[in-house]
Amino acid sequence: KAGVTQTPRYLIKTRGQQVTLSCSPISGHRSVSWYQQTPGQGLQFLFEYFSETQRNKGNFPGRFSGRQFSNSRSEMNVSTLELGDSALYLCASSLDRLAGGSTGELFFGEGSRLTVL
Amino acid sequence: GNSVTQMEGPVTLSEEAFLTINCTYTATGYPSLFWYVQYPGEGLQLLLKATKADDKGSNKGFEATYRKETTSFHLEKGSVQVSDSAVYFCAFLGTGGSYIPTFGRGTSLIVHP
Repeated sequence: KAGVTQTPRYLIKTRGQQVTLSCSPISGHRSVSWYQQTPGQGLQFLFEYFSETQRNKGNFPGRFSGRQFSNSRSEMNVSTLELGDSALYLCASSLDRLAGGSTGELFFGEGSRLTVL
Repeated sequence: GNSVTQMEGPVTLSEEAFLTINCTYTATGYPSLFWYVQYPGEGLQLLLKATKADDKGSNKGFEATYRKETTSFHLEKGSVQVSDSAVYFCAFLGTGGSYIPTFGRGTSLIVHP
């Protein structure tokens, strides 16, 4: 079956602009998580959505937001971009742990690489 | 609080050398433990996992054993290949209803021919 799909793969923005990234999870996965990956900070958790509700949130400013649609597809938005937002943004989907047989494994997309100039 | 500590990289080896990447965790209870791998230009993918003490996860020649007494999950491979060059992440998922794994900072492995 198809894996996690993220679009766009690469994008360049300037400071002050906003950006929206999209993630389509594996069919049947209702949990979608977002991560920011940078060389200096490693992999940092942004937020997790399940059944259109934000269930967990990392320690990021309010400029970072997300949502999930009824088909489990998710988007994240970053407003008023700063140079420090340049990063690889990874989306991951998973079966819910309350679902039988799930051990919490995450399935990652290839990421959206954002460059802020 | 919960945390994962991995050895810092990069780890540089010659082909066919033995690999160990250390990982220790701090968590309550009996978490599930994972190793993920990220090849250049790609997202992370699960390499192996273990869900209870003394379990050994294995895949593609890599192994890691869940050591509850030392809270460790070290990754090993007997003979690395150039194609193993990647970043390796140790992670755990707690038992307290958390849905979010805690990741280590990653260890870069570079294998030379």
